[in-house]
Amino acid sequence: GESVGLHLPTLSVQEGDNSIINCAYSNSASDYFIWYKQESGKGPQFIIDIRSNMDKRQGQRVTVLLNKTVKHLSLQIAATQPGDSAVYFCAENTAGSASKIIFGSGTRLSIRP
Amino acid sequence: NAGVMQNPRHLVRRRGQEARLRCSPMKGHSHVYWYRQLPEEGLKFMVYLQKENIIDESGMPKERFSAEFPKEGPSILRIQQVVRGDSAAYFCASSPPANGGDTQYFGPGTRLTVL
Repeated sequence: GESVGLHLPTLSVQEGDNSIINCAYSNSASDYFIWYKQESGKGPQFIIDIRSNMDKRQGQRVTVLLNKTVKHLSLQIAATQPGDSAVYFCAENTAGSASKIIFGSGTRLSIRP
Repeated sequence: NAGVMQNPRHLVRRRGQEARLRCSPMKGHSHVYWYRQLPEEGLKFMVYLQKENIIDESGMPKERFSAEFPKEGPSILRIQQVVRGDSAAYFCASSPPANGGDTQYFGPGTRLTVL
């Protein structure tokens, strides 16, 4: 029979407001974290990354926060636009290891006009 | 500078046939990774290759799946005797050698449908 995947958690945000997407990671040894954006029918697109020696990093309209104590990562998007609608994945890796990325389960961001 | 390229973008196969997916990494990238994604799920690692070497295949099913990255040409993910459960989106990513593989850049994916 057909398998049914888990429904992705959805965050609905008013256009122009700020969005905050949260992620809990699993591996205490991970020291490199990435946020990817995936639009329907496309591959994951790199947004921003952060290494474990930092707790905050800013890009254009995006900020990533890292709390190693509770193994928590968040992505903040300022002034959310319709083009921000996508599924957002956090991912973890070990810096310099040239190894696999472990993806989180994803959050669907929906923008209300 | 072209990004990671994958072809075909869509592939339909009947049960028992072979599927062959191709990936050309970004220019200058020598690390290639393959991931599989089921609907409404995150990407799951399958295999990591460098030119002519398989570095980590811990995510590859033991049977029917193989991957290669020859000295010349694209990386190939081959699925023999496909079954319906193989239906998924398969993504390739690449990273440059100097980067140590930290940041991986993804292609558009190949969507495999097994009838």
